[in-house]
Amino acid sequence: SQTIHQWPATLVQPVGSPLSLECTVEGTSNPNLYWYRQAAGRGLQLLFYSVGIGQISSEVPQNLSASRPQDRQFILSSKKLLLSDSGFYLCAWSSGVGANVLTFGAGSRLTVL
Amino acid sequence: DQQVKQNSPSLSVQEGRISILNCDYTNSMFDYFLWYKKYPAEGPTFLISISSIKDKNEDGRFTVFLNKSAKHLSLHIVPSQPGDSAVYFCAASVGGGATNKLIFGTGTLLAVQP
Repeated sequence: SQTIHQWPATLVQPVGSPLSLECTVEGTSNPNLYWYRQAAGRGLQLLFYSVGIGQISSEVPQNLSASRPQDRQFILSSKKLLLSDSGFYLCAWSSGVGANVLTFGAGSRLTVL
Repeated sequence: DQQVKQNSPSLSVQEGRISILNCDYTNSMFDYFLWYKKYPAEGPTFLISISSIKDKNEDGRFTVFLNKSAKHLSLHIVPSQPGDSAVYFCAASVGGGATNKLIFGTGTLLAVQP
């Protein structure tokens, strides 16, 4: 069966510090991978998605970036965090077919102080 | 531009009664619609989906209705249980292959009172 792992679960970082959130998927190959963010009191905002190694599509201009160095690994990064980057970050994968059902990880809570 | 909208931020119902969660969309190119349930500090979990060529899909206590002419869908939960208390997100699938992604609404917090 397929599983998705996301870490760290919680992170408290000062403004201006770098960020790296990692996500890996097991039990499938060539998944579509996604990063979403849920800000306080807001819905789920799509940040990045990838349909293959090295292929990244950005949905929202911001100071975050994403990379997919391996087929089942997706990384969310920032060189300098802003206060507005605080939120709940969710990684997800899908097969990309049919209804494109996304399976989400447990999430990473980022607090920028 | 909010392509998927959930205009009710919260809903409270009594246990055993019906819960109706609503969602509106603007893009007629969406090909699937999905509902997710989310507990605090957890990732959303998939509940049910419906193809744009259908008007109803049922799975146990959950039924989704799609009205394409009104660009409206709803999720019915019957009977509602206290464990159903969570945030419910409506999502729409657009594209295929290289552009396959889900666009989510802002969510509705459902509280089922015992």
